[in-house]
Amino acid sequence: GAVVSQHPSRVICKSGTSVKIECRSLDFQATTMFWYRQFPKQSLMLMATSNEGSKATYEQGVEKDKFLINHASLTLSTLTVTSAHPEDSSFYICSAAGLTYNEQFFGPGTRLTVL
Amino acid sequence: GENVEQHPSTLSVQEGDSAVIKCTYSDSASNYFPWYKQELGKRPQLIIDIRSNVGEKKDQRIAVTLNKTAKHFSLHITETQPEDSAVYFCAAFMDSNYQLIWGAGTKLIIKP
Repeated sequence: GAVVSQHPSRVICKSGTSVKIECRSLDFQATTMFWYRQFPKQSLMLMATSNEGSKATYEQGVEKDKFLINHASLTLSTLTVTSAHPEDSSFYICSAAGLTYNEQFFGPGTRLTVL
Repeated sequence: GENVEQHPSTLSVQEGDSAVIKCTYSDSASNYFPWYKQELGKRPQLIIDIRSNVGEKKDQRIAVTLNKTAKHFSLHITETQPEDSAVYFCAAFMDSNYQLIWGAGTKLIIKP
């Protein structure tokens, strides 16, 4: 399958700081990228859908001003958690849709810990 | 909107026995149903999928069945092994919004 990378894999930050997570499709062009959040022992929760060159579509309950998504190219999407707080600590996973939208390829995830 | 229910939440089976995980979906427009395996702290890995024009698909010890009328699909793992221990998620996909709707997950424990 296609390869999706995510960076960083783990980040620890102080409350109030901003954290940027990068998601890259390495060997294919991803028209659409998805950002998920996963709390311990829970399912993946879709945060937003990102299409290259347009504004992201956020799921209900996800603050767009807090979780800034940029999808500037067909291979890169970024998620910035602004003014992070301890309750934002979670496992963030991106996925990229390839030629067939129903087939999503997942990044390795980013473990965010906010102190 | 689409809703996916997954059962059981935890499943413990003896090594060598079979395991079955079931999911139901609500929107008949869903046309693609993948199953993912997620080990602790890692990304979900696609293990098998089925499209709405097929009733059953098998890949070695893993099989998936789909009943479109009843709107449910199941994952079957035969001859379970310790490395099958993980959390398994089902999902349903609709072309209309390109989104995967996830089940809550099943923690599969293989007892030696």
